[in-house]
Amino acid sequence: SQKIEQNSEALNIQEGKTATLTCNYTNYSPAYLQWYRQDPGRGPVFLLLIRENEKEKRKERLKVTFDTTLKQSLFHITASQPADSATYLCASGNNAGNMLTFGGGTRLMVKP
Amino acid sequence: DAGVIQSPRHEVTEMGQEVTLRCKPISGHDYLFWYRQTMMRGLELLIYFNNNVPIDDSGMPEDRFSAKMPNASFSTLKIQPSEPRDSAVYFCASRPSSGRGYTGELFFGEGSRLTVL
Repeated sequence: SQKIEQNSEALNIQEGKTATLTCNYTNYSPAYLQWYRQDPGRGPVFLLLIRENEKEKRKERLKVTFDTTLKQSLFHITASQPADSATYLCASGNNAGNMLTFGGGTRLMVKP
Repeated sequence: DAGVIQSPRHEVTEMGQEVTLRCKPISGHDYLFWYRQTMMRGLELLIYFNNNVPIDDSGMPEDRFSAKMPNASFSTLKIQPSEPRDSAVYFCASRPSSGRGYTGELFFGEGSRLTVL
């Protein structure tokens, strides 16, 4: 069955460092991946989309990569700040349908 | 724009009671999705609508769950009778149809936290 997985353990890093979060998928080939941020008690908020024919996407301090050989997406936050502390969700979609499948999310803690 | 509006934000009920969750999507969005989030299973899609018509309800866990969208600005998710294992945060999300620069992003509401005792 299709699976999309994220590291369930929290990631703790020091302010100013680069945070790298991983999203792996198995048994299918998504047409695109999306990344969302979720704060406690709030709904997810969209950050970035990357399509299968794109290797890398950037937006301000955020960078996403998509490696179809490794079946993996990496999400980077450079010069991390305590305000970046949140849970980050990846989601996969295909061109045929309208349903997104979400990973379990990774909690990021940036310490001052 | 007010965003996706859900109510109630919190609901505590007893097993066997009927629960109705409500959602107002962003005006002009053709698609509406209901998700459920738990620690164990993460975000799961329950059902989605396109132009008020249910398209895929394969994620609805049991017949106890039902969803309606009587018009473009309102949807309900009903659980009858409720059980403790239904305790979760229920999210409504909407998005427009494809357009220029379309990213497919979902716009989520703040969720309804349901506790069934």
